[in-house]
Amino acid sequence: EPEVTQTPSHQVTQMGQEVILRCVPISNHLYFYWYRQILGQKVEFLVSFYNNEISEKSEIFDDQFSVERPDGSNFTLKIRSTKLEDSAMYFCASGPVLSYEQYFGPGTRLTVT
Amino acid sequence: RKEVEQDPGPFNVPEGATVAFNCTYSNSASQSFFWYRQDCRKEPKLLMSVYSSGNEDGRFTAQLNRASQYISLLIRDSKLSDSATYLCVAERGNKLTFGTGTQLKVEL
Repeated sequence: EPEVTQTPSHQVTQMGQEVILRCVPISNHLYFYWYRQILGQKVEFLVSFYNNEISEKSEIFDDQFSVERPDGSNFTLKIRSTKLEDSAMYFCASGPVLSYEQYFGPGTRLTVT
Repeated sequence: RKEVEQDPGPFNVPEGATVAFNCTYSNSASQSFFWYRQDCRKEPKLLMSVYSSGNEDGRFTAQLNRASQYISLLIRDSKLSDSATYLCVAERGNKLTFGTGTQLKVEL
């Protein structure tokens, strides 16, 4: 069964550093998403991406965040200058055309020290 | 008011029991609804979509009432492996809004 993959599984970084989280969505999916979950809290939407552009973003997704699909398979989330409060689990998800279902990757645990 | 509201639980039930979870949503523009399951420190996994007509998948039955903005999940014949957090999710414009989840613990 095809699945979303994410790397790394855990990233530790210092405050102010840039991080890039990587995702490989399911191959025939055309909609891509990033969500985050702070420990003990609910899953929160960050951004959706379709046809090589952002289709919607949340208030959390400020100028420090960016997304890119650099080639036909990868989908990345960049945080330019990390803050302590960016520490969370970041989930990538993808979805097929003609369905609102979304399938999540295993997540990257980001720890900002 | 929270967009998607769930009782956090925990629900502690014996193996074989039937358990029901409820959820309400506040945005009437929400179009699709789902139940996801999340194990500790893992990703949400899609359990089932929820339709107004009600839908069943094995031991799981989901129901949507748009007039009351209410969603339910019924689990029959609970197994130990059903222990997890169940997330109620509303979709609007391809964006998923999650509830905080209801924790289920199935015990021997």
